[in-house]
Amino acid sequence: ETGVTQTPRHLVMGMTNKKSLKCEQHLGHNAMYWYKQSAKKPLELMFVYSLEERVENNSVPSRFSPECPNSSHLFLHLHTLQPEDSALYLCASSQTPSGLQYFGPGTRLTVT
Amino acid sequence: TQLLEQSPQFLSIQEGENLTVYCNSSSVFSSLQWYRQEPGEGPVLLVTVVTGGEVKKLKRLTFQFGDARKDSSLHITAAQTGDTGLYLCAGAKAAGNKLTFGGGTRVLVKP
Repeated sequence: ETGVTQTPRHLVMGMTNKKSLKCEQHLGHNAMYWYKQSAKKPLELMFVYSLEERVENNSVPSRFSPECPNSSHLFLHLHTLQPEDSALYLCASSQTPSGLQYFGPGTRLTVT
Repeated sequence: TQLLEQSPQFLSIQEGENLTVYCNSSSVFSSLQWYRQEPGEGPVLLVTVVTGGEVKKLKRLTFQFGDARKDSSLHITAAQTGDTGLYLCAGAKAAGNKLTFGGGTRVLVKP
């Protein structure tokens, strides 16, 4: 398998649930990203990891908790989300934090 | 106010017609990228432009970076239904800086 993969592709969760999104990149990249894409809004950068260290956190609420155990895997742990958190969550990777980014297919999250 | 403004927001054309999508800013970017995103998928990188005045061609797609590196355009010649999607521009103000995305232009090419 090549490129950037994300699981699950679709997720419906209640406001009291805890779930995790997973991203895996097979490109040998050193930087990984989480983005949020809502309807009628530009892509919003949430977190950036470089060599497994978080290098950017764009004022994201603490109900979103990222984890990068190694350079190939990135998780986004979710708990006590709000309906307005419903969106497409995209993972991306690049060779370096300034390099060209390659996106996964996204996880469509619905919070009920 | 978005740093990168894309226009139009939505464009519907017939197959075979031409179209142009614009990406404008008051800021200077060291590089600008164009992506296409199809429904249910993530954005796919089409091209990166880095030099003011640069023109790049990708089959029927022509990308231009403004001389002042503040704006860019994407022109599609003889559009096909497969060109349908959300076109996103993204810019980096300097090497090593994060990307800022425009709001996107949704293109629908009807058969």
